[in-house]
Amino acid sequence: QQQVKQSPQSLIVQKGGISIINCAYENTAFDYFPWYQQFPGKGPALLIAIRPDVSEKKEGRFTISFNKSAKQFSLHIMDSQPGDSATYFCAARGGDTGRRALTFGSGTRLQVQP
Amino acid sequence: DAGVIQSPRHEVTEMGQEVTLRCKPISGHNSLFWYRQTMMRGLELLIYFNNNVPIDDSGMPEDRFSAKMPNASFSTLKIQPSEPRDSAVYFCASSQQGLISPLHFGNGTRLTVT
Repeated sequence: QQQVKQSPQSLIVQKGGISIINCAYENTAFDYFPWYQQFPGKGPALLIAIRPDVSEKKEGRFTISFNKSAKQFSLHIMDSQPGDSATYFCAARGGDTGRRALTFGSGTRLQVQP
Repeated sequence: DAGVIQSPRHEVTEMGQEVTLRCKPISGHNSLFWYRQTMMRGLELLIYFNNNVPIDDSGMPEDRFSAKMPNASFSTLKIQPSEPRDSAVYFCASSQQGLISPLHFGNGTRLTVT
């Protein structure tokens, strides 16, 4: 059962544009929602994260928007740069048993063209 | 801090052979996770340990897979016998206690079973 659905699968954005990646979750017991960034040949690395008690979190050019009622959250990358070209994963953690492992979305390959 | 260290970085083996992947978590981290990444299935949790004790192994594909954590600084993932469908990138990650503690991933082991 896929508990975190991510879209789009791939995204091409021009330098300076806004990149938007969306995720939806099913398990209402999730209570921590991070985004990870992965470059080729490397492991994923935490980019930004949010708890469901806030609707938005911003760190530099990266913003998470969270809609608890819709069970959706999204990553916005402002002023996208070629160095942002990577694969992005949304994830969720928590649950009825206090499960500490992350459940990941399927990933979005972002390409920022110069 | 050297980060999470995985070895080997690449492993090529023939079907039927035993494969052992190794992981050294970040010192002081008490949770350790093994994930598998493939194009078709994305990042899948195989197993995770808390304080060296396996907590959730529901993601282990079958009895051919086994994982151990004999102490806080070392873990292994063993596949015996290996099959071509096991070909993937295997990641180890560690984290501190706490819901919002980020997962720190190693750079993975790329396994190819011919």
